[in-house]
Amino acid sequence: GAVVSQHPSWVICKSGTSVKIECRSLDFQATTMFWYRQFPKQSLMLMATSNEGSKATYEQGVEKDKFLINHASLTLSTLTVTSAHPEDSSFYICSALAGYEQYFGPGTRLTVT
Amino acid sequence: RKEVEQDPGPFNVPEGATVAFNCTYSNSASQSFFWYRQDCRKEPKLLMSVYSSGNEDGRFTAQLNRASQYISLLIRDSKLSDSATYLCVVNRPTSGTYKYIFGTGTRLKVLA
Repeated sequence: GAVVSQHPSWVICKSGTSVKIECRSLDFQATTMFWYRQFPKQSLMLMATSNEGSKATYEQGVEKDKFLINHASLTLSTLTVTSAHPEDSSFYICSALAGYEQYFGPGTRLTVT
Repeated sequence: RKEVEQDPGPFNVPEGATVAFNCTYSNSASQSFFWYRQDCRKEPKLLMSVYSSGNEDGRFTAQLNRASQYISLLIRDSKLSDSATYLCVVNRPTSGTYKYIFGTGTRLKVLA
C-alpha cells in the first residue's frame, strides 16, 4: 500500500516553455502532498505544501507564480514550472501524506536546455 | 545550528558489521520521527517510523530518546544492499499545521 506515482519520470524542455508534473496517490487519498526539489549531492528542499481544495503554501524563496501547484482531487497534485530556465533543471519529487507518514513518488528529472 | 542534525558520514563498514546512526533535533515540540533511505538519484523510501517504545524491523532497530532529543537507527549484519543515504525526518507543529524537517542524511557504504 501507499504507492505514489509521478509523471513524467524525466523531461527535457527548451528555455521559456512550461512543464507540468503530476503526482498521484494510487491506493490512498491524500489531503496533503508536498513538492520537493533536489540538486545533485544536496538535501531535499521543500518547495511547497499542497492541500486539496485550497491554495498551496510555499516555502520562503519559492516563487508561487513560477511554480504553480494545483491539488484538485484527493489523489492528484500537479506542479507546473512556468517559463523554465536552465537553473530550474533539477530532480523534482512529490510526496503524499498517509496519516503522519510521507510516501514519495519516484521523482521527475527536469532538464531545461 | 540546524533543527535536525545528522553526521554526514560516510560510514564505511564491512559486510556483516553492526552500524548505528544518531540524529538530534532541537525543537522539543517535535512529535513524530522517521527514518528514510535514499539511493543515489532515487526518491526517499520510508524505512520505519520511530515510536517512543522503540521498534524493530528485521535487522533494523530504531530508538527515540525524548529527554536527550535524539533518535537512532541500528543496522545489524550489514548487507551490501544497505549502502545508501539514511535520512532522519522529524515532524513538529507549526502555525496550526505540521512541518516535516529533514536531516541532511548519513551516507553508509557497506564494503565486501
